[in-house]
Amino acid sequence: DSGVTQTPKHLITATGQRVTLRCSPRSGDLSVYWYQQSLDQGLQFLIQYYNGEERAKGNILERFSAQQFPDLHSELNLSSLELGDSALYFCASSDGGANPGDIQYFGAGTRLSVL
Amino acid sequence: AQKVTQAQTEISVVEKEDVTLDCVYETRDTTYYLFWYKQPPSGELVFLIRRNSFDEQNEISGRYSWNFQKSTSSFNFTITASQVVDSAVYFCALSDRYNGDKLIFGTGTRLQVFP
Repeated sequence: DSGVTQTPKHLITATGQRVTLRCSPRSGDLSVYWYQQSLDQGLQFLIQYYNGEERAKGNILERFSAQQFPDLHSELNLSSLELGDSALYFCASSDGGANPGDIQYFGAGTRLSVL
Repeated sequence: AQKVTQAQTEISVVEKEDVTLDCVYETRDTTYYLFWYKQPPSGELVFLIRRNSFDEQNEISGRYSWNFQKSTSSFNFTITASQVVDSAVYFCALSDRYNGDKLIFGTGTRLQVFP
């Protein structure tokens, strides 16, 4: 068990809808990262938060947004969902800031199916 | 640009065979970190090892060993006496100072170990 908790484990929804994925980092970790794993794109970095502030952005669509709350949990909001958004979404956390060597510990993922 | 290549898409072995998973990376930075993660059939991503660019010592952990060679930009992973429980997808990843601490993943190698 990595100590990173993601809910829900599975999510099935329809095109055009909006969903929220939730992540609780390991105790004491200030950094939260979101990654998307899809068959065609592989594992791709979406966005990082550090202690409540956005730290880095990857190839995140404008329809997607995230935030990190004062208790350090994070939410990833996906709106106007399309079939191609179906993927496994991972949250990871680390105890560092924007340091390249920080070990990222991953949650079990949320599997999103858009029908 | 940063890139991680795992040329082996899938490897099948019989239990007790040794197997090596290849990883080749590209980066312009002189300070970088390499990682291996395991994704078992249950789907979570499990951290296995981190290596920084200044430490070329090979590492052994039980049946697992890693061979880091800067001259060939490779960070290969060997499982000795493979077991069925080793069946998983294995990802090599890179982070460097140009990209903060986001991980750039390879496409993964699926290892199937048959009894």
